[in-house]
Amino acid sequence: ETGVTQSPTHLIKTRGQQVTLRCSSQSGHNTVSWYQQALGQGPQFIFQYYREEENGRGNFPPRFSGLQFPNYSSELNVNALELDDSALYLCASSTDRSSYEQYFGPGTRLTVT
Amino acid sequence: DQQVKQNSPSLSVQEGRISILNCDYTNSMFDYFLWYKKYPAEGPTFLISISSIKDKNEDGRFTVFLNKSAKHLSLHIVPSQPGDSAVYFCAASAYPTGGGNKLTFGTGTQLKVEL
Repeated sequence: ETGVTQSPTHLIKTRGQQVTLRCSSQSGHNTVSWYQQALGQGPQFIFQYYREEENGRGNFPPRFSGLQFPNYSSELNVNALELDDSALYLCASSTDRSSYEQYFGPGTRLTVT
Repeated sequence: DQQVKQNSPSLSVQEGRISILNCDYTNSMFDYFLWYKKYPAEGPTFLISISSIKDKNEDGRFTVFLNKSAKHLSLHIVPSQPGDSAVYFCAASAYPTGGGNKLTFGTGTQLKVEL
């Protein structure tokens, strides 16, 4: 059984640029959630996708957007990057949108300069 | 507003002894609680969980206790092993009411198990 995978591992971008992060969910999981983890903090919920539709959103501006594909993989897009967007971005999958337990990927480390 | 709090940034324990990690929450709507372990350069790994209808859940060396009246939970690791050295996150969730099942995390406790 393949776990949650994310790409790329690391990324360096310049302020104002756009970035796309990718996630493949664990086999059998149809729900994907994205989290941002700043240094020294716990992960913060960005949004969740269930069957290709957004199914909940945290306190993040609209320049954070996402997609989920028919195979349940997902993308996180961030436009107009700001220095404060530098963080570890974590993707988590779960068996269903009402499942409490979420399984995380290794994350993508984004640095904005 | 920090709804889930882990007030101890770090904890050091000797191998073989008990490790106790604590977590407090403020949102009375939370009805499910989870503990995750995180090694450097890896994503959080699910460890153990507990529903609000229980006060204890045990899995091998790991036991989670929930005190709803105090809005407090703790993770006990017995016996502690060097491989347990990691950052431990407490997370909480409220039953989804159409808004997605999000986890609210604490800031983590760095556990170091010494030989």
